[in-house]
Amino acid sequence: SAVISQKPSRDICQRGTSLTIQCQVDSQVTMMFWYRQQPGQSLTLIATANQGSEATYESGFVIDKFPISRPNLTFSTLTVSNMSPEDSSIYLCSVETGGGEPQHFGDGTRLSIL
Amino acid sequence: GQQLNQSPQSMFIQEGEDVSMNCTSSSIFNTWLWYKQDPGEGPVLLIALYKAGELTSNGRLTAQFGITRKDSFLNISASIPSDVGIYFCAGPGGSNYKLTFGKGTLLTVNP
Repeated sequence: SAVISQKPSRDICQRGTSLTIQCQVDSQVTMMFWYRQQPGQSLTLIATANQGSEATYESGFVIDKFPISRPNLTFSTLTVSNMSPEDSSIYLCSVETGGGEPQHFGDGTRLSIL
Repeated sequence: GQQLNQSPQSMFIQEGEDVSMNCTSSSIFNTWLWYKQDPGEGPVLLIALYKAGELTSNGRLTAQFGITRKDSFLNISASIPSDVGIYFCAGPGGSNYKLTFGKGTLLTVNP
């Protein structure tokens, strides 16, 4: 399966700042997704990152708060903007390689906002 | 939207015991996936099920796709300490690719 690298693996940020998380895959993939996992909770899909076009956001998530880029078939970024303590979560990138294969996940970015 | 009810929420067992957890959905699923998440890592796919009634094994793990297509279970036989983690069921939530996740089952294995 594809090797997925996320950076940073963790960060502690100040309230009101923004952080950009990178997701790099070692091969071209058809679909890339961003999830949030709040402390002690399950995974919730934020958006689907579309190559060369605007991301498709799920209900409750907006582009101004979570801008996403996907310039090519192996790379995507998620920015968490104007952070507040409620944004403290694990943010996970996942990919589908196509051919009916299930999604595979990166190790996530553990974000704490003070 | 799609909802997945996963139980139990947590389990505390002794090494060597068998474990069973299950997931039910409010609507029909065409795919059931089981993931495991270790502390500090992302979820790792354990088993994928694509057909009603399908029974699939991966080592000591066995999962089944319910006949009604609204449920699935995961069994772990002869548990060992490294089985500790959170187990999630997941399935397509309204489309062919967007996943809905259960709330997870936290497994603790006492040596």
